[in-house]
Amino acid sequence: AQSVTQLDSQVPVFEEAPVELRCNYSSSVSVYLFWYVQYPNQGLQLLLKYLSGSTLVESINGFEAEFNKSQTSFHLRKPSVHISDTAEYFCAVSSTQGGSEKLVFGKGTKLTVNP
Amino acid sequence: NAGVMQNPRHLVRRRGQEARLRCSPMKGHSHVYWYRQLPEEGLKFMVYLQKENIIDESGMPKERFSAEFPKEGPSILRIQQVVRGDSAAYFCASSPLEALETQYFGPGTRLLVL
Repeated sequence: AQSVTQLDSQVPVFEEAPVELRCNYSSSVSVYLFWYVQYPNQGLQLLLKYLSGSTLVESINGFEAEFNKSQTSFHLRKPSVHISDTAEYFCAVSSTQGGSEKLVFGKGTKLTVNP
Repeated sequence: NAGVMQNPRHLVRRRGQEARLRCSPMKGHSHVYWYRQLPEEGLKFMVYLQKENIIDESGMPKERFSAEFPKEGPSILRIQQVVRGDSAAYFCASSPLEALETQYFGPGTRLLVL
C-alpha cells in the first residue's frame, strides 16, 4: 500500500518569489510519481510526472520536481511564481507493478500567489 | 482530440434518489478510473474498469455504489438511495493501453444531496 503526505495545506507567496511544495510518500514497492494542478471548480491537470530515468522532471510552465528515493520525496519547485499559478496542487503515486494503476493522492496544497 | 468528458457537471438529488454519473474517456483510451473528492480532502480511488470488466473496485463502498463500462457508450457510476454524505466531486480519468501509468482527468461531476 502507498500513502502520500503533503505537509503544507496552504502556501501563500508573493508574485515572482520562489516556491516549494513538499511531498513525501511511503510505499513498499517502487512507484511512479505525479503532480497534478486543480484550478477552482475544474478537474485535475497533469503537471509533471516521474516514471524512470532522470530524477529531475520539468513542466512546460516552469515547474520542476526532483525524485529523491532515499528521502522518499518528490517536492515541487518554481523559481518565480505568477498570479496565474494560484491553484491547488496534488502529489500522487502509483505502483509500478501492473494490475491496478490507481493513483494515491495527498490532501493537496493550496498555493496562493499575491501581488 | 477531445479530453475526458463527464456529465452532468452538477447534479442535485434529494436523499433516497438515485444519481447516475457519466464518463466518456479520451478517444482511444480503454481504461477508466473513478475518484471521489470530499471537501478539504484529496482524491480517493473508487474503481478501475476496462471495457466490460471491473479490474479493481477496492475503493468502492460496499453498498449503494456500482460502476460499469459497457462495450458501447460511456462509463457509468451509479449511486442508489443517496445520502448527504455522498455529496462530493466525482472525477473520472482515462488512460491508454500503452501508457496505463498516466491518467487524464475529466472536469468532474459535483453531486449535492439535499
